[in-house]
Amino acid sequence: KAGVTQTPRYLIKTRGQQVTLSCSPISGHRSVSWYQQTPGQGLQFLFEYFSETQRNKGNFPGRFSGRQFSNSRSEMNVSTLELGDSALYLCASSLDSGGFEQFFGPGTRLTVL
Amino acid sequence: GDSVTQMEGPVTLSEEAFLTINCTYTATGYPSLFWYVQYPGEGLQLLLKATKADDKGSNKGFEATYRKETTSFHLEKGSVQVSDSAVYFCALLLGGNTPLVFGKGTRLSVIA
Repeated sequence: KAGVTQTPRYLIKTRGQQVTLSCSPISGHRSVSWYQQTPGQGLQFLFEYFSETQRNKGNFPGRFSGRQFSNSRSEMNVSTLELGDSALYLCASSLDSGGFEQFFGPGTRLTVL
Repeated sequence: GDSVTQMEGPVTLSEEAFLTINCTYTATGYPSLFWYVQYPGEGLQLLLKATKADDKGSNKGFEATYRKETTSFHLEKGSVQVSDSAVYFCALLLGGNTPLVFGKGTRLSVIA
């Protein structure tokens, strides 16, 4: 069974631009969660989607948004990029929402210049 | 709020040394506990888990026991290898609609 895939793996943007990251979960998994990983803050939860609905949201500004499609694939979007948005963005999928083991993708490394 | 505290790194050990990475948690309920490992340039991989008190999770020579009385889930391995060099994250999950809560991570370097 294929694992969680994320595209692109690396991305370089400039301040003020916007970016869209994509995540394809493991086949049959219906929940997708997004995390931001930085050296200073560690791993922080962004949001979770289940059956195309946002189930939970972390403490991030409205510039960070996401969505999930009917095939469970998910995208996250960051608008008006800031230098501090430079991070590794990790996507994790699980069979269902709440209390289920999560499987992580390799991440997208975003650098904002 | 719910939180996980891990020992500060980095930890540097010689090959075949004994490893302990401390992890304690604070939670409002009864969480499941996890150890994830992140190798350089990769995402997180689940290393082991325990879902209730006194459970022992084990995988690839690593072990951790869920201690409710001390709210701890320390990671141990009897003999580390160079290939164990990575960042290790302790995490808890309360279920419902709550997300995984991670510790800050502990970087382990094993030298030959």
